[in-house]
Amino acid sequence: AQSVTQLDSQVPVFEEAPVELRCNYSSSVSVYLFWYVQYPNQGLQLLLKYLSGSTLVKGINGFEAEFNKSQTSFHLRKPSVHISDTAEYFCAVSDQGGSEKLVFGKGTKLTVNP
Amino acid sequence: EAQVTQNPRYLITVTGKKLTVTCSQNMNHEYMSWYRQDPGLGLRQIYYSMNVEVTDKGDVPEGYKVSRKEKRNFPLILESPSPNQTSLYFCASSLRSRSPLHFGNGTRLTVT
Repeated sequence: AQSVTQLDSQVPVFEEAPVELRCNYSSSVSVYLFWYVQYPNQGLQLLLKYLSGSTLVKGINGFEAEFNKSQTSFHLRKPSVHISDTAEYFCAVSDQGGSEKLVFGKGTKLTVNP
Repeated sequence: EAQVTQNPRYLITVTGKKLTVTCSQNMNHEYMSWYRQDPGLGLRQIYYSMNVEVTDKGDVPEGYKVSRKEKRNFPLILESPSPNQTSLYFCASSLRSRSPLHFGNGTRLTVT
């Protein structure tokens, strides 16, 4: 069965600094990978997804993530964050075959300070 | 506007009083799912449905029921709520399983 580990539960950064939110997964088969963002008092929305092809995936709001199969990672990055990026970020993984399940990590709370 | 609509947004109830949280999507999605979100635990799947009349248990189904009589609706039923079901609940839908999910805005349930 697949699992997801988000290595940092909280990440505080200053505005305009770069940020990386780390995500590692385990699975015995090929995977689909997702990052979702949850702004305060809202549901989750899709930030970006990796299904196949290029390992560098670009998403909304200037975020990007790189799929690294050898390290089983899918870290999320942004070169310069804004106050409005303050939110909780969830990494999720789904097997390409077999189980239909989408498994979420426990989330990383990003706080951008002025 | 494409959306997943959950009602109510907030609900306070007492132990043992049956309740239903409704979920409706207007995107003709086949796949629907319920999650609960608890601090430090992330999102855990309660039940999911691959299509009409097809439902299956997720990771934490105990104490919950669902039904999928129509494609657009996927209500979550708590027959006898208990305080450990106090949580933030999300309904989500997607075109099919493994497609990106669209989430509702959540229902915050408190059981006293």
